[in-house]
Amino acid sequence: NAGVTQTPKFQVLKTGQSMTLQCAQDMNHNSMYWYRQDPGMGLRLIYYSASEGTTDKGEVPNGYNVSRLNKREFSLRLESAAPSQTSVYFCASSEGGGRSPIFGPGTRLTVL
Amino acid sequence: QKEVEQDPGPLSVPEGAIVSLNCTYSNSAFQYFMWYRQYSRKGPELLMYTYSSGNKEDGRFTAQVDKSSKYISLFIRDSQPSDSATYLCAMTSDSWGKLQFGAGTQVVVTP
Repeated sequence: NAGVTQTPKFQVLKTGQSMTLQCAQDMNHNSMYWYRQDPGMGLRLIYYSASEGTTDKGEVPNGYNVSRLNKREFSLRLESAAPSQTSVYFCASSEGGGRSPIFGPGTRLTVL
Repeated sequence: QKEVEQDPGPLSVPEGAIVSLNCTYSNSAFQYFMWYRQYSRKGPELLMYTYSSGNKEDGRFTAQVDKSSKYISLFIRDSQPSDSATYLCAMTSDSWGKLQFGAGTQVVVTP
């Protein structure tokens, strides 16, 4: 039982490049989330998916797109990376209904 | 102004001391309150959660919520070096995934 897995663990991009962050969970959770963590800012919600087939914007969605590929997988895409997107990205999943989300190990992204 | 305020620390205490952490918030709709622990280069893990006002105890950890003052606290008794981590408060009104986090307080417990 791996929980929430994220790939890659680290990534360096140049401004304007694109990439997709992958997330998968094996807990049969309905809801999945993408957060970013910046120094002094805590974690901020980028996008979430309450259930398979649905996605919705969070607090900081600009510059990102998401795809809920199936119940297990939720990807985050940066179409044209900017230095302001340098951050640590965490994927999380939850059963919903009052259950705390479980977080993955994070992806450390640097945009030069 | 942030919805959730948390002193970033660092907070340094000797082993065995009581660690006291707190957050203040502005949104009176928040009713679920959580504390997460995050070790360096790891994802946050849930320590405690409380619904509405009151206290909750789990081993060495006690969480308190005072909704009238919009203030939550976490106490760690008999602190150990393994408690050295960043502690994040988080809260939400009705959806556990759409959490509002504090900035996190770095705690260092020295042997």
